Amino acid sequence: QSALTQPASVSGSPGQSITISCTGTSSDIGGNNYVSWYQQHPGKAPKLMIYDVNNRPSGVSNRFSGSKSGNTASLTISGLQAEDEADYYCSSYTNSRSWVFGGGTKLTVL
Amino acid sequence: EVQLVESGGGLLQPGGSLRLSCAASEFTFSSSAMSWVRQAPGKGLEWVSAIRGTGVSTYYADSVKGRFTISRDNSKNALFLQMNSLRAEDTAVYYCAKIRGGSPTFDYWGQGILVTVSS
Repeated sequence: QSALTQPASVSGSPGQSITISCTGTSSDIGGNNYVSWYQQHPGKAPKLMIYDVNNRPSGVSNRFSGSKSGNTASLTISGLQAEDEADYYCSSYTNSRSWVFGGGTKLTVL
Repeated sequence: EVQLVESGGGLLQPGGSLRLSCAASEFTFSSSAMSWVRQAPGKGLEWVSAIRGTGVSTYYADSVKGRFTISRDNSKNALFLQMNSLRAEDTAVYYCAKIRGGSPTFDYWGQGILVTVSS
């Protein structure tokens, strides 16, 4: 199972919105609605931010939202804040009962 | 608050074996599927293995199939990963993760434990 494709880096200024894309195949993203997004700060464990394409766990800011079209999922962060600077990973469940992650996107808040 | 605490990491030579443990608390462990996810130094996340709550069904990434074995002891709220025939490319921080009920999503993660395979 090949890794999902994410941009290596994105950046934005405080208050702006950014979108991170995540491209897979019909065997993963395009084949179900089990896309999730994780935030990871340096030296820390990943934290779930979005699950099932567009659902936020309790406690996650509504500035984070997710969507999907075909084989591509997206994470949008609105009203960018300094503490949003982190690595972001997408993940999808696959039709072979496994999981695949994206390569990660480094978000820089300018 | 859900707690997951990994232990058992360390430095070992290629070809060696190691058993990781994950102590779980503050949720109904026996009802929860669990997983191991790893992250090589400076690299991205890689799913390794998963196990259903009953322990009957297990799943593995191709990269570890035949070398790693996932298991659990529901009486002790513990998850394990037996790693054999270790290779340099297995060097990573290994995370224990809880799988969310009703959705194949990793909703809680441990702090991770470092495994280094080097001669």
